[in-house]
Amino acid sequence: GDSVTQMEGPVTLSEEAFLTINCTYTATGYPSLFWYVQYPGEGLQLLLKATKADDKGSNKGFEATYRKETTSFHLEKGSVQVSDSAVYFCALSPGTSYDKVIFGPGTSLSVIP
Amino acid sequence: SQTIHQWPATLVQPVGSPLSLECTVEGTSNPNLYWYRQAAGRGLQLLFYSIGIDQISSEVPQNLSASRPQDRQFILSSKKLLLSDSGFYLCAWSVTGEYGGYTFGSGTRLTVV
Repeated sequence: GDSVTQMEGPVTLSEEAFLTINCTYTATGYPSLFWYVQYPGEGLQLLLKATKADDKGSNKGFEATYRKETTSFHLEKGSVQVSDSAVYFCALSPGTSYDKVIFGPGTSLSVIP
Repeated sequence: SQTIHQWPATLVQPVGSPLSLECTVEGTSNPNLYWYRQAAGRGLQLLFYSIGIDQISSEVPQNLSASRPQDRQFILSSKKLLLSDSGFYLCAWSVTGEYGGYTFGSGTRLTVV
């Protein structure tokens, strides 16, 4: 069945470091891909999305490119801040009738000053 | 604009007591609704989803139940809580066919003591 795999971390970076969180997926058809962010004690927020191959989603300095050939959707940011400390979830929507979204296990990121 | 409300924000309940968590969506009609649970330090577990009134599916067998008394209201219940029911409960909604992912509520932190 459809699934999402991502590095579980925790990831600890110094402020202004480059961030990559790897995400790969398995799906039939043409899924939409998402990154969600969860700040401590809060619900999940949609960070960015891409709906077809080679699309690049971007928001708040984060980017991810939908790579169908490698079935990947890696999250990147050139210079992280302390305020980026959160848990990041990669997810896909296979496009079923009720838009079921399948989440990865989440990657915890801590950014230290 | 669409909003989702979830309450209460925190709840401490004794083992064996009943539970009722409520989620309402505003600004949209016939949303798909979801209940997720997130155990401490772990990923998301889909508990229930509903694509319409009286159309509720359970993903995982447990002592929880869900109801949808109105189009934009989704309730998570239990007759007798277990210690293992502790966790962070998240409600979410989506619209069929938009493939835009989910919008999450702010969550309820449930501690069963």
